Amino acid sequence: GEDVEQSLFLSVREGDSSVINCTYTDSSSTYLYWYKQEPGAGLQLLTYIFSNMDMKQDQRLTVLLNKKDKHLSLRIADTQTGDSAIYFCAESFPPEGYGQNFVFGPGTRLSVLP
Amino acid sequence: IAGITQAPTSQILAAGRRMTLRCTQDMRHNAMYWYRQDLGLGLRLIHYSNTAGTTGKGEVPDGYSVSRANTDDFPLTLASAVPSQTSVYFCASSELGGDYNEQFFGPGTRLTVL
Repeated sequence: GEDVEQSLFLSVREGDSSVINCTYTDSSSTYLYWYKQEPGAGLQLLTYIFSNMDMKQDQRLTVLLNKKDKHLSLRIADTQTGDSAIYFCAESFPPEGYGQNFVFGPGTRLSVLP
Repeated sequence: IAGITQAPTSQILAAGRRMTLRCTQDMRHNAMYWYRQDLGLGLRLIHYSNTAGTTGKGEVPDGYSVSRANTDDFPLTLASAVPSQTSVYFCASSELGGDYNEQFFGPGTRLTVL
């Protein structure tokens, strides 16, 4: 079945770049996502990438997708203390939007040190 | 109401008691989901509903039931709570079909079963 893996913890210094990695097993996924969960809150979509793309950039965020290796990464440039959160990798399969066609990873807790 | 609301915010429950977690959305989304979040395991899908009147089992459905009488509400019931159901529960919703699947999350219910 589908499986999404991430390391559980990452610590970086404020101002440095953060790179959060994710591996997945099912190559039939159509979209891959990064969700952010701030303390005491639900998840919010941060960014997503279509499976036919290699890279997507959005301000401080860069998503890289290596479909051959089934590897997804999220780079946060100039990491700030407000970026401290849990980051979840996820993938979805067609038909989109159906509950059984979406899988989350375990989440990576990013701690930003001053 | 804007988005998804969940109630209660937190609850301490004696084992063997029945409990219903409430979830309401005002976005007219077809699909709704219940997840539980446990450290190191990420989010695991309990039940989902792709449209009013239908429900389906997710990865960890045992001990839980759901109903979807209308578009807006998706309650989750624990018929006889057990300590292993101690967790943070998130309700989410999304549109069906279309392109990527953005899930919108409620703030969560923290449940402790003693």
